[in-house]
Parts: sequence; structure tokens; C-alpha cells
Amino acid sequence: DQQVKQNSPSLSVQEGRISILNCDYTNSMFDYFLWYKKYPAEGPTFLISISSIKDKNEDGRFTVFLNKSAKHLSLHIVPSQPGDSAVYFCAASEAGANSKLTFGKGITLSVRP
Amino acid sequence: NAGVMQNPRHLVRRRGQEARLRCSPMKGHSHVYWYRQLPEEGLKFMVYLQKENIIDESGMPKERFSAEFPKEGPSILRIQQVVRGDSAAYFCASSPGLYYNEQFFGPGTRLTVL
Repeated sequence: DQQVKQNSPSLSVQEGRISILNCDYTNSMFDYFLWYKKYPAEGPTFLISISSIKDKNEDGRFTVFLNKSAKHLSLHIVPSQPGDSAVYFCAASEAGANSKLTFGKGITLSVRP
Repeated sequence: NAGVMQNPRHLVRRRGQEARLRCSPMKGHSHVYWYRQLPEEGLKFMVYLQKENIIDESGMPKERFSAEFPKEGPSILRIQQVVRGDSAAYFCASSPGLYYNEQFFGPGTRLTVL
């Protein structure tokens, strides 16, 4: 039972354009959401997060949007750069301190020069 | 400012042998999590530990797998009598403590069972 779904396995975007990575979840107990970026043979690197009390969080080129009623979040990267090419994982945790993370399967982003 | 450290980075074992994976959390972090990633899959939670305590082991297989985080030294994930299906990347993450949701990951240990 996949509680966090990243339905598009891959995305290809031209350098300078916007990348939009989508994520859906089914567990209504999730209240904190994170995006991680992962290069081959490395561990995931934390990018940005959002609490369920917010609908938007921005950090430089990265913005995460949360739509609780639709159980949907998205990561926007603008402008996209070739160095952004990696696998992006959406993750979620339930309320309470230090809860385990539930990950989606990831989206492979390719940014074309 | 060292990040989460894991060793070994690569481990090859024959079926039936034991695998020991080590994780040193970031300085100041007392919470450790282990995750496993199978090919073409996302990371799956295995176990959450604080110093000398297992807090949540709901993702750990009931047999052959065990984890510890002693008062001194790294956290250890132990897999006894490995089988080919144990081949995966095992990631450790740490966080500083209560009410801190972000977890910071190590580079992983890639276990190959022959």
C-alpha cells in the first residue's frame, strides 16, 4: 500500500525553465512533508519541507506547495539548472516528534542544457 | 562539520554470512533511523533508535535483523544469515532531537549478497 505516490517516474525540462514535480498521499495523518534530492551512489539530501499548517514554503529556487484537501504537494524549481538533474523523493511523516518518514518511489529529473 | 557517516560503503557477503552496517550520526544528534532501498523503489523505514533504546522497529523484518545504538559508539544494523533478497542500499539518517522533523542521511551502505 503506497501511502506516498509519485506517479511520474521521470521528467525532462529545458535549462532555465520551471520544473514541477508532483506528489500525492493517502494517509490523512501525515502532517509534515519533505523533499529530498538524490544523486547516484549517494544518500538523499534534504531540500525543503512544509508543515500542514502552511500551503507554501519557499527557499531560493525551490518552492513547495501543499494542497491538504487534495492530499497533493508539488515542488517547483525555477529556473532549472543542469545540476538539478537527480532523483527527487517526496516524503511524509505523521504528527509527533521524530516520526519515521514514508517515501515515494522518486522522480528522475533531467535538465537539458 | 562532519555529516552522517556510514561504513562500509560497499559490502559483499555470501549467503548465510552476517552483515554488520555501521552509522555515526551527525555531531549533536541523538536520534538514528535506518532505511532500506531496493532497486527502483523508494526508501523504506526499518527502525528508529535513540541512545540505548529502540523506539520504533515496525519496519524491521522479525527474523535475522537487529539494530542497536549503544551509549558509546556507532549505531549497528546487523543482518544474520543473509539471503540474496537482502541485497539493497541501506541508509542511516539522524536528527537532533525532539520536535525536529528533518532527517539527514548518510551516503549509504550497498550490500550485495552472492
